[in-house]
Amino acid sequence: DGGITQSPKYLFRKEGQNVTLSCEQNLNHDAMYWYRQDPGQGLRLIYYSQIVNDFQKGDIAEGYSVSREKKESFPLTVTSAQKNPTAFYLCASAPTTVRRSGNTIYFGEGSWLTVV
Amino acid sequence: DQQVKQNSPSLSVQEGRISILNCDYTNSMFDYFLWYKKYPAEGPTFLISISSIKDKNEDGRFTVFLNKSAKHLSLHIVPSQPGDSAVYFCAAFDRGSTLGRLYFGRGTQLTVWP
Repeated sequence: DGGITQSPKYLFRKEGQNVTLSCEQNLNHDAMYWYRQDPGQGLRLIYYSQIVNDFQKGDIAEGYSVSREKKESFPLTVTSAQKNPTAFYLCASAPTTVRRSGNTIYFGEGSWLTVV
Repeated sequence: DQQVKQNSPSLSVQEGRISILNCDYTNSMFDYFLWYKKYPAEGPTFLISISSIKDKNEDGRFTVFLNKSAKHLSLHIVPSQPGDSAVYFCAAFDRGSTLGRLYFGRGTQLTVWP
């Protein structure tokens, strides 16, 4: 089945550590996104990528880094510079034709990151 | 600055009645709007959308209304069911933008009680 796979579902990080969240999609989508959800904050955009080897900062990119070496993969690294990383992280993808056809963005199941 | 606003963080409705969730936006360039439903610890799932050339779109129990002059849209669920209890996010899109990103509201927690 086509879809978006995020791993791990739950991750614990010690203070000062970098951690990487995986996101893989087999929908042949060009665009991929990372969102963060905090209680009462809705979905805030961290980074997004419209094409391989290119990505842009979203609204809350500080303390995060991404790479887009393959169309199917868009890993997110939460660095030690991120002061409050405990949150629910959502990866999403969309076809670039979404602008014309009105297709929608599809989300993965999310990853919980907790700092201990 | 929040370009998509959902001013009601929660809504409680009795089963069988109508649920009305509201959303306002500030960017006049937005021309496509979507509603997503989200259960705890899961990713949001697409519910219904509407283009700015329409003022209403219906899909089963779900209807979205768009008032462009007021920059306001609403999602109606009739009849409401307990399984509809979830967080609902409104999202907006500028299809003319090269950036291709969605802007989300903060969500409304809908609780449908028996």
